[in-house]
Amino acid sequence: SQELEQSPQSLIVQEGKNLTINCTSSKTLYGLYWYKQKYGEGLIFLMMLQKGGEEKSHEKITAKLDEKKQQSSLHITASQPSHAGIYLCGAVPNAGNNRKLIWGLGTSLAVNP
Amino acid sequence: KAGVTQTPRYLIKTRGQQVTLSCSPISGHRSVSWYQQTPGQGLQFLFEYFSETQRNKGNFPGRFSGRQFSNSRSEMNVSTLELGDSALYLCASSRAPGEVTQYFGPGTRLTVL
Repeated sequence: SQELEQSPQSLIVQEGKNLTINCTSSKTLYGLYWYKQKYGEGLIFLMMLQKGGEEKSHEKITAKLDEKKQQSSLHITASQPSHAGIYLCGAVPNAGNNRKLIWGLGTSLAVNP
Repeated sequence: KAGVTQTPRYLIKTRGQQVTLSCSPISGHRSVSWYQQTPGQGLQFLFEYFSETQRNKGNFPGRFSGRQFSNSRSEMNVSTLELGDSALYLCASSRAPGEVTQYFGPGTRLTVL
């Protein structure tokens, strides 16, 4: 079955440093979502990408979807402690419009002040 | 506007028991999805309800069931609990199925002893 692989599994960075999280699929994706989760809380929607080559930014977070729509990267510039949490990518694996998203296992990010 | 609420937040049960979890979507949202989150499997889709009808279902055994009421509130039930059912159960709401953005609740952490 199709899976989403996230890398790295965990990350510890010093405040102010840049970082990148990747989400990779072996097949073409029809929509890629990035969410952030803090312990004990639900998922917070960050961005959604649909078109090959698409790039979106929100504050200091930028997400890109490659041309083949098989890999997405999430880049954080000048990280802050508020960026700490678990970043999850979720994807629509087929052309049908349903909720059967597939999900990566998440990347745990810690930002040291 | 109040967010998605889930009750209870924490639950401890023993094997063989059954459990009912509740989710109240954001006012005006009529679609409710349920997910199971575990460290090993990540986030897995359980089912989605819209207008009191199950629209989509994930690959979970029949012990997992759900329903939605006319006010869009949803419940999920797990019967004959197994140790492997220990997980964070997340509920997400959106205005309608296929909406790009889902709003997640904080989850119910279920521990099965």
